[in-house]
Amino acid sequence: EAGVAQSPRYKIIEKRQSVAFWCNPISGHATLYWYQQILGQGPKLLIQFQNNGVVDDSQLPKDRFSAERLKGVDSTLKIQPAKLEDSAVYLCASSSLRGSLYEQYFGPGTRLTVT
Amino acid sequence: DAKTTQPPSMDCAEGRAANLPCNHSTISGNEYVYWYRQIHSQGPQYIIHGLKNNETNEMASLIITEDRKSSTLILPHATLRDTAVYYCIVRVATRRETSGSRLTFGEGTQLTVNP
Repeated sequence: EAGVAQSPRYKIIEKRQSVAFWCNPISGHATLYWYQQILGQGPKLLIQFQNNGVVDDSQLPKDRFSAERLKGVDSTLKIQPAKLEDSAVYLCASSSLRGSLYEQYFGPGTRLTVT
Repeated sequence: DAKTTQPPSMDCAEGRAANLPCNHSTISGNEYVYWYRQIHSQGPQYIIHGLKNNETNEMASLIITEDRKSSTLILPHATLRDTAVYYCIVRVATRRETSGSRLTFGEGTQLTVNP
């Protein structure tokens, strides 16, 4: 089965510019996640969707970050305006049952550099 | 979710067993131990999980102490492709994907397999 797809793989922007990332989860996966991974750290959850509804966005900086999953499939994460500290890899994941428990499958990520 | 403690780095000779320790002394009775790994420039990949019994799959073995306060991930015959950051995570796992099922990553252990 195809994995989680993300684009672009790399993006370089100047501070105060806007940027958007796209994610296509594994077919049939109802739950989708966006994580931020700063260099040298583990991934940190930004937002979790169940179908097209938000389950958890407690760690999303809502003054500049937004995300949507309008039809319950693809998702877009936007940053507007970007700051230097937003430089990171943005990972998308989707989940399904593995045995009796849910497991998450990650995409390759988008590496964002803000200059 | 309970916090975990892992050594920041470990080395292993190719073909030998790699034993990666994890301390989770505050783990609750309903929390599972999960292991993920992240190869350079890729998203995290699920390896194995367990509650209290030892577990084995095609990738690795998981040994959990009787008091569940620590565990060890064993790669029986490490190869160069096993060089990665290994994350030990404890979390509540349910049949329903809710906000309580987030993965909270620490900084992990950088395992380097040497030829």
